[in-house]
Amino acid sequence: GESVGLHLPTLSVQEGDNSIINCAYSNSASDYFIWYKQESGKGPQFIIDIRSNMDKRQGQRVTVLLNKTVKHLSLQIAATQPGDSAVYFCAECTTGNQFYFGTGTSLTVIP
Amino acid sequence: SQTIHQWPATLVQPVGSPLSLECTVEGTSNPNLYWYRQAAGRGLQLLFYSVGIGQISSEVPQNLSASRPQDRQFILSSKKLLLSDSGFYLCAWNQDLAREQYFGPGTRLTVT
Repeated sequence: GESVGLHLPTLSVQEGDNSIINCAYSNSASDYFIWYKQESGKGPQFIIDIRSNMDKRQGQRVTVLLNKTVKHLSLQIAATQPGDSAVYFCAECTTGNQFYFGTGTSLTVIP
Repeated sequence: SQTIHQWPATLVQPVGSPLSLECTVEGTSNPNLYWYRQAAGRGLQLLFYSVGIGQISSEVPQNLSASRPQDRQFILSSKKLLLSDSGFYLCAWNQDLAREQYFGPGTRLTVT
């Protein structure tokens, strides 16, 4: 079956620095990828998505990069703030509307 | 606007007791509905999904079951809880052909 995993389980960054969270996926047939943010004790919230026919997409302070050659996805957060501290999940969506989530990376922003 | 509700927010149940978690969605019709479980420090494990009333697909064999008695109501049940059923249970929805899933606030279940 499909698997989505993250390279690093934890990440600490200084406030104001840029954060990069990485994700590897295994299903080359996935056509859609999503990043979610989950704060402690809450459900995940959508951050940004990207289709498999794209290699980059930008949002407000966030950028997602997709490298299909090596099946790698990354989330870049610019000027990281304390409110960005959370667990970040990547997910892949296959045909048939099936979602597969990774373990998550815990981001801690140091003031 | 659409909202998703889950209850209870927290639950402590003894081993062998039954379980019923409820999820309802407002502001949309015919949503896809999902139940996930999240163990501490782990990712989201898809348990069940439903594309319509009475239509349930199970992703993981276990002692849990799901039902969808109404279009916007999704229920997760168990006849006899196991210690391994402890975790954070999340309900989510999305629209057919859409991609983004919207998650509920979750239910923290502790089986003692």
